[in-house]
Amino acid sequence: DGGITQSPKYLFRKEGQNVTLSCEQNLNHDAMYWYRQDPGQGLRLIYYSQIVNDFQKGDIAEGYSVSREKKESFPLTVTSAQKNPTAFYLCASSIDSPSNQPQHFGDGTRLSIL
Amino acid sequence: QKEVEQNSGPLSVPEGAIASLNCTYSDRVSQSFFWYRQYSGKSPELIMSIYSNGDKEDGRFTAQLNKASQYVSLLIRDSQPSDSATYLCAVLYSSASKIIFGSGTRLSIRP
Repeated sequence: DGGITQSPKYLFRKEGQNVTLSCEQNLNHDAMYWYRQDPGQGLRLIYYSQIVNDFQKGDIAEGYSVSREKKESFPLTVTSAQKNPTAFYLCASSIDSPSNQPQHFGDGTRLSIL
Repeated sequence: QKEVEQNSGPLSVPEGAIASLNCTYSDRVSQSFFWYRQYSGKSPELIMSIYSNGDKEDGRFTAQLNKASQYVSLLIRDSQPSDSATYLCAVLYSSASKIIFGSGTRLSIRP
């Protein structure tokens, strides 16, 4: 079945450590996105990519980095510069961007500080 | 003014009644609007997309769009306990070429 796979489901980060969240899609979508969701809050855009080898900062990119070497993959690295990383991280994709087609989400990764 | 605004709730509705969820947005040229349902601890799932003024029905769900008033709503008929969730409104901001999400309305269906 086509879909978006995020891993791991739960992740713990030690202080000063970089961690990478995986996002893979087999929907043949051009556009991919990373969001952060804090408890009781909406989704805030971290980074997005409209095409392979290209990506743009979202509203809260500081302390995060991404790469888009393959159409199917859009990993997110939470660096040690992100001082408050505890949140629910959601990866999404859409056919293209900007798009009037909806975004579809993976199951998310819950990141906590040890 | 927030770009996409929703009442955070909780909105409590008796089982079998109609739940009405509202969303306003600030971008006058937005053309695409989406409603997502998010259960606690889960990722959002798409319920409805709407692009034209008026109503769009899908089963128990009806999305209503009024571009002149910059207002989009979601009606849930015959509400069931399984409808208890947070509902996120999302708007494609043409000026910024990105989708903006509201903070969501928490809906609780009481038996």
